[in-house]
Amino acid sequence: SAVISQKPSRDICQRGTSLTIQCQVDSQVTMMFWYRQQPGQSLTLIATANQGSEATYESGFVIDKFPISRPNLTFSTLTVSNMSPEDSSIYLCSVGDTSTDTQYFGPGTRLTVL
Amino acid sequence: DQQVKQNSPSLSVQEGRISILNCDYTNSMFDYFLWYKKYPAEGPTFLISISSIKDKNEDGRFTVFLNKSAKHLSLHIVPSQPGDSAVYFCAASDYGGSQGNLIFGKGTKLSVKP
Repeated sequence: SAVISQKPSRDICQRGTSLTIQCQVDSQVTMMFWYRQQPGQSLTLIATANQGSEATYESGFVIDKFPISRPNLTFSTLTVSNMSPEDSSIYLCSVGDTSTDTQYFGPGTRLTVL
Repeated sequence: DQQVKQNSPSLSVQEGRISILNCDYTNSMFDYFLWYKKYPAEGPTFLISISSIKDKNEDGRFTVFLNKSAKHLSLHIVPSQPGDSAVYFCAASDYGGSQGNLIFGKGTKLSVKP
């Protein structure tokens, strides 16, 4: 399976600021996804990061709040904009592997907003 | 409304015995199911999956059973080992595991006691 890294691993931010999270994969992948896990909740898909085109957002998530870039087949970023304490979560990127028909996850970024 | 439910937040099992983790779903369109294991400060790790055309899939100590009529699946770990202590997530999809939105349960924390 692909090796996935995320930066930063954790951060504490002030409300009203923005944070950009990076996801790097060690091989080219077509499908990349961004998930969020709020405290005590399940993982929820934010968006699919499409290479060369705009991301596809799930219901309840908008581009202005969570802009995503996907400049190539090994890298993506998720920005959490104008943060509030409700954005405190673990943010995870994942990649789809069609040979095993599954998704593999990065280690996550733990974000705390004060 | 949660489409994937793991009704037991925690489970404690003696080393060497069987661990049974349960998952219920409500959406009859789900046709692919996955189990992930998550250690603290790490991302979810893929364990095993099952397609709706099967009712059982085995991989070493891990077996997943699917009961479509009851909309229920379970993960059996035999024998349980202390290293299996982690949070286990059930996930479901209506178009495979690699290309779409995985819907997760909230997880069950398994503790295997030596």
